[in-house]
Amino acid sequence: EAGVTQFPSHSVIEKGQTVTLRCDPISGHDNLYWYRRVMGKEIKFLLHFVKESKQDESGMPNNRFLAERTGGTYSTLKVQPAELEDSGVYFCASSRDRGFGDTEAFFGQGTRLTVV
Amino acid sequence: GDSVTQMEGPVTLSEEAFLTINCTYTATGYPSLFWYVQYPGEGLQLLLKATKADDKGSNKGFEATYRKETTSFHLEKGSVQVSDSAVYFCALSDPLSGAGSYQLTFGKGTKLSVIP
Repeated sequence: EAGVTQFPSHSVIEKGQTVTLRCDPISGHDNLYWYRRVMGKEIKFLLHFVKESKQDESGMPNNRFLAERTGGTYSTLKVQPAELEDSGVYFCASSRDRGFGDTEAFFGQGTRLTVV
Repeated sequence: GDSVTQMEGPVTLSEEAFLTINCTYTATGYPSLFWYVQYPGEGLQLLLKATKADDKGSNKGFEATYRKETTSFHLEKGSVQVSDSAVYFCALSDPLSGAGSYQLTFGKGTKLSVIP
């Protein structure tokens, strides 16, 4: 069974440009999460999809970030325009059922975004 | 709000040494507690978890016990190997946080290097 796959693994863009990150969850996993780790800080929750619906987007930092999950399969996270403070590692995770206490979520390897 | 504090790294140990990585938490309710590990070039992997007080999670020789009285979940291993070199993250999921159990709150991570 393939794991959670994220593209690209690394991205270096200039301030003001647009970047789109992609996450392919494990097949059959309705729940998809985005997290971010800014350098030297904690991994922070961004949002949670159940199928194609946004269940919780309370962690999205501002309106420069747009997440979509059309058709309830893969998800994209677009940053437009990118700012220096957006640099970090973006993780995606998926799980069959909601939550983490009773079900296991599987994480991708992350996308390292550097804004210069 | 909820928070996780874990010991700052990096930690460097010789092979076969004893490992302890301290983790304490603050939560509204009765959270589930987790240790995740990120090996070089890979995504986050669940190492072990405990869902109620006094539970002990264990995997690959690692152990952690959920201590409600001290709000702690310290990670231990009796004899580390070079292959244990990785970044370790303590995390919690708190159903009473207002966001349900659908978010993980992470610590900053502790980088462990094991030398032969």
